[in-house]
Amino acid sequence: DGGITQSPKYLFRKEGQNVTLSCEQNLNHDAMYWYRQDPGQGLRLIYYSQIVNDFQKGDIAEGYSVSREKKESFPLTVTSAQKNPTAFYLCASSTSTSPSFGQGTRLTVV
Amino acid sequence: QKEVEQNSGPLSVPEGAIASLNCTYSDRVSQSFFWYRQYSGKSPELIMSIYSNGDKEDGRFTAQLNKASQYVSLLIRDSQPSDSATYLCAVGGSTLGRLYFGRGTQLTVWP
Repeated sequence: DGGITQSPKYLFRKEGQNVTLSCEQNLNHDAMYWYRQDPGQGLRLIYYSQIVNDFQKGDIAEGYSVSREKKESFPLTVTSAQKNPTAFYLCASSTSTSPSFGQGTRLTVV
Repeated sequence: QKEVEQNSGPLSVPEGAIASLNCTYSDRVSQSFFWYRQYSGKSPELIMSIYSNGDKEDGRFTAQLNKASQYVSLLIRDSQPSDSATYLCAVGGSTLGRLYFGRGTQLTVWP
């Protein structure tokens, strides 16, 4: 099946820990994105990458890091510097103007 | 920062009625506009895209764009309970695929 796979679906993080969210796509899309959604809010862009080995900060990049070593993969690390990481994280990929989304990872700080 | 504003909702309509969802945007040079539907706990799915002034119809959905007024809307005809979801308006930025989202309007269609 072609698509975008995010894992895990649910993730719990202790205070001070770094955690990594996985995003893999087999759509052969060049561009990939990470968005964050808080309750009652729209999606806000964290990072995006238009090509392998290159990525740019979005609107809320502080406390997050990414890598793009392979076209298919765009993992997001939520570092301890992110003070309020509890949110729904969505990965997307695109070859045109409108991205398609993975199923999301719900991260909770415990 | 590009702003995308949606009518706050929630919006509640009876089955069979027309639901009207509205969105305004701040960047006058925006060229691409999208409506995503998001069911509770799920990821957004694209239902309509529009790039030119006027109306675009797809089944029960009609998107309307007025660039002079910086306004885009979504009409859902013959609303069904399965249309109950949050509808997100998104506007394209200068980078291909980079979108700016509104907060969403929650729609409930009651039988």
